[in-house]
Amino acid sequence: ETGVTQSPTHLIKTRGQQVTLRCSSQSGHNTVSWYQQALGQGPQFIFQYYREEENGRGNFPPRFSGLQFPNYSSELNVNALELDDSALYLCASSLAGAGYEQYFGPGTRLTVT
Amino acid sequence: QKEVEQDPGPLSVPEGAIVSLNCTYSNSAFQYFMWYRQYSRKGPELLMYTYSSGNKEDGRFTAQVDKSSKYISLFIRDSQPSDSATYLCAMSGPGTDKLIFGTGTRLQVFP
Repeated sequence: ETGVTQSPTHLIKTRGQQVTLRCSSQSGHNTVSWYQQALGQGPQFIFQYYREEENGRGNFPPRFSGLQFPNYSSELNVNALELDDSALYLCASSLAGAGYEQYFGPGTRLTVT
Repeated sequence: QKEVEQDPGPLSVPEGAIVSLNCTYSNSAFQYFMWYRQYSRKGPELLMYTYSSGNKEDGRFTAQVDKSSKYISLFIRDSQPSDSATYLCAMSGPGTDKLIFGTGTRLQVFP
């Protein structure tokens, strides 16, 4: 069974730039959720994708957007990067309706300078 | 006030001790209660989840939920240095897979 993978591991961007983060879900899982974890904080829900559509969104502005592909993998896109976007971005996969069993990837650490 | 409150620690205990980690919450609609372990610079690892009130045991770990008090606990028996990590509680309500996390408690188990 393949776990959740994310790429890249680390990323450094400049304020105002755009970034795309990628996630491959665990084998058999059809739902992907994205979270942002600032240093010393718990993860915060950004949004979830199911059947290639957004299925719930947290308190994040529209410059945070995503995609899910037919193979259930997903992308997180962030436009007009701000310094406060510096964080660990986590992807979690699960089966639809089983959000209590979300399995996280290792995360992508984004630094905005 | 945050929906989920968790003491950030750090909590430092000797090897073999029983560890108690706790969270309180304000939303009575929460139904599922999860505990994750996160090592430094890694993603959270699901330890266990509980539905509604009650206890659940898995090896050295026991999760307790008291919905009347809006209080959940994770007990670790015979703690090991390898248990040193940040422990995150998380919760979700009906009709959503959105997890609400606490800030995490940093645990250090020394030999």
